Amino acid sequence: KAGVTQTPRYLIKTRGQQVTLSCSPISGHRSVSWYQQTPGQGLQFLFEYFSETQRNKGNFPGRFSGRQFSNSRSEMNVSTLELGDSALYLCASSLGQVAGELFFGEGSRLTVL
Amino acid sequence: AQSVTQLGSHVSVSEGALVLLRCNYSSSVPPYLFWYVQYPNQGLQLLLKYTSAATLVKGINGFEAEFKKSETSFHLTKPSAHMSDAAEYFCAVSEAGANSKLTFGKGITLSVRP
Repeated sequence: KAGVTQTPRYLIKTRGQQVTLSCSPISGHRSVSWYQQTPGQGLQFLFEYFSETQRNKGNFPGRFSGRQFSNSRSEMNVSTLELGDSALYLCASSLGQVAGELFFGEGSRLTVL
Repeated sequence: AQSVTQLGSHVSVSEGALVLLRCNYSSSVPPYLFWYVQYPNQGLQLLLKYTSAATLVKGINGFEAEFKKSETSFHLTKPSAHMSDAAEYFCAVSEAGANSKLTFGKGITLSVRP
């Protein structure tokens, strides 16, 4: 069974640009959540999508957005990039029924210059 | 609001020694508690979880954790460390129903000396 796939794995952007990250969940998983991991703030929850609807949202500015498609694949977008957005962005999928049982991808490492 | 405290950022043990990684939580409702492991350049992997059943939870790779409500703790242990256990370990808490919204601790890096 294929795991969670995130693309791209690495990317470099400059301040003010926008970026779109993609996540393909494990087949059959309907929930996709996104986390930001930085050395200073650690792992922080961004949002969760379940059956194309945002089910939970973390405390991030509106520049961070996401969506989920009918095949459960998800994208997150960050607009007007800031230096502080440099981070590892992790996607996790789950069946959406068992608390906390998340399957994580390897992440997309974003560097903002 | 929920929170997790992992004391210390780095633990070093000898191969074959006991591993003890501490986690304390704060929650206004009965919590669900988790331990995840992250190997270098990889995502997180669930080690074990507590969801209000047995207080002693067994996970993968020989790890276990005990939920102690009176101490608001959920410490992770393994009787005998192996070199392959070297990784970063995260304790996390969620509310029942908020299935994917986890609050993580800062993480502890475990080093295993030969």
